[in-house]
Amino acid sequence: DSGVTQTPKHLITATGQRVTLRCSPRSGDLSVYWYQQSLDQGLQFLIQYYNGEERAKGNILERFSAQQFPDLHSELNLSSLELGDSALYFCASSVVDRAYEQYFGPGTRLTVT
Amino acid sequence: GESVGLHLPTLSVQEGDNSIINCAYSNSASDYFIWYKQESGKGPQFIIDIRSNMDKRQGQRVTVLLNKTVKHLSLQIAATQPGDSAVYFCAEIPSSASKIIFGSGTRLSIRP
Repeated sequence: DSGVTQTPKHLITATGQRVTLRCSPRSGDLSVYWYQQSLDQGLQFLIQYYNGEERAKGNILERFSAQQFPDLHSELNLSSLELGDSALYFCASSVVDRAYEQYFGPGTRLTVT
Repeated sequence: GESVGLHLPTLSVQEGDNSIINCAYSNSASDYFIWYKQESGKGPQFIIDIRSNMDKRQGQRVTVLLNKTVKHLSLQIAATQPGDSAVYFCAEIPSSASKIIFGSGTRLSIRP
């Protein structure tokens, strides 16, 4: 158990809909990262938050957004969903000066039908 | 859920033998190189890292080698066990960045 929790574990929704994925980092970790893992794209970095502020951005679509709350949990919002958004979405956390050592949650499997 | 990788390269190793997983990277300015392990249905798990100013680093049953001349990274696992079955990702952190760029992964399977 990495100490990072993600909910829900599975999500099935229709095209055009909007969903919110939730992540709680390890106790004490201020940095939260979101990744998308799909069959044809591998693990893709989406976005990082540090202590409530956006720190780094990857290949995140404009339809996607995220935020980190004062209690350090984070949410990833996916809107106008398309079939191609079906993937595993992982959240990870780390201490600020060890970004290479990230602790990943179990992921949320999103299926868009 | 299953791990990614219908098209992952696969390495098959006899239990007890040593495994060597290789990776080529592209960004010569990266500060850190890392190996992650992803078991089926789980998130990636940090194994070991190496700074760009090092050539070799050893952990428990694992050794990472970095050859900057040819931009090559390898992970050696000693006395491979069934629990080592997983997809292994090499990754790098570009200088002045905190995001990890993952490689495509190698699936390690263990023969009894």
